[in-house]
Parts: sequence; C-alpha cells; structure tokens
Amino acid sequence: GAGVSQSPRYKVAKRGQDVALRCDPISGHVSLFWYQQALGQGPEFLTYFQNEAQLDKSGLPSDRFFAERPEGSVSTLKIQRTQQEDSAVYLCASSSLQGPANEAFFGQGTRLTVV
Amino acid sequence: AQSVAQPEDQVNVAEGNPLTVKCTYSVSGNPYLFWYVQYPNRGLQFLLKYITGDNLVKGSYGFEAEFNKSQTSFHLKKPSALVSDSALYFCAVRGDSNYQLIWGAGTKLIIKP
Repeated sequence: GAGVSQSPRYKVAKRGQDVALRCDPISGHVSLFWYQQALGQGPEFLTYFQNEAQLDKSGLPSDRFFAERPEGSVSTLKIQRTQQEDSAVYLCASSSLQGPANEAFFGQGTRLTVV
Repeated sequence: AQSVAQPEDQVNVAEGNPLTVKCTYSVSGNPYLFWYVQYPNRGLQFLLKYITGDNLVKGSYGFEAEFNKSQTSFHLKKPSALVSDSALYFCAVRGDSNYQLIWGAGTKLIIKP
C-alpha cells in the first residue's frame, strides 16, 4: 500500500491478556518507530528500528513491552499481561532515510482498551 | 532535557482570518522542528519541517511556520483560515544527535464559518 498500515485498528483486551499489534511500513523505509499516545496528549516515543536492528528501546515502559522487526519490514509490538494503564493509541511511523532531518509517516494507530 | 510547549489547548479563529498556533522548544544542539496535523480517526499527517536555511518554511495546505532561534519558537501560521483546517495540531522536535521526536501536547484549532 501507499501508506503505513496498522492492524487491528481497535483492540479490547481483558486485564492480564497478551496482545500483538502489527505495523506494515511504507515499502523500502529503513526507519520504523513506535509511539504511544494517551488521550489528550502528544505521542511518546517507545522504540526505534533501523532495518531489523532495534537501536533504541528506551521508551518501552516496562519489560512487558516487546517489539520486533525480524526481516526489516513488518514490525510487531507485543504487550504481555496487559494492565489498564496500557490503554492508549499505539502509533507506528516509518521514514525512508536515517537521520534526524527526515519526516516520519504515520499509520492510523491501534486503539488499545484494557478492561 | 528536550521539551516542546504548545501553550494553547485551543485556538478559535473565524474563517478567512489569519491563524497562528504557537510552539516553543528546548533541545540540545541544532533543532529539527516539525508540524503535524491530526484529523479525527485519521493518522498524523506531516505538514512541514525546519532543518536549516530560511526561517520561514512553507508546507502543505497553505501552512507556513517561522523559526525564531532567539525565542526558541516555531509558530505555525496561515494567512486565511478555512473551516476544513479545524483539527488537532502537534509540534515536535528532534536534536541533531538523536531520532526520537519529542512532541507537544497538541492544540485544537477551531475555524468558525
């Protein structure tokens, strides 16, 4: 597709359940980012991949959060034993080049609600 | 520490009037500044960016932004607002030694006919 695609668009999980969120970046984009956006706030950085290498995972809030991009394209964000505070919109973005000057293109996000 | 401030939660403008959405930042080194727009049930869309060079940058949909180094500001502007400009606007910054975008809390722009 032409843009970043995320699935599912909406996910309701019972507390304690594991979830997996998928991101299909724009084809050929080297850089891939995950952000978390709470209601009424700006996005917050979670993790960054350059191809298949996870170069920065400093924003992951706990060891229940895990991200991978094994072949340098599709990425999955996994949350184990979900908690209510995990409820947020999870945004994936990709960028064609490395470096701070390049804008990222965002998917529509996955809205996770933990009940 | 890097930070972005958008001091206005909401900005109301009459259609046809000029609009300004304010953003100030704090970053180590050279700033790379971005504006994004978010419409309901849609993803964040890139509007424009400042990397270097001219302080006035032009972007999509007739928007422009003015970089002011001394005031550490990057205000978004448009000469004549449209009702369709109503949306949530985010300012973001990166330093030249990293790739994390640091975001403001967003400003809701309401354009009234």
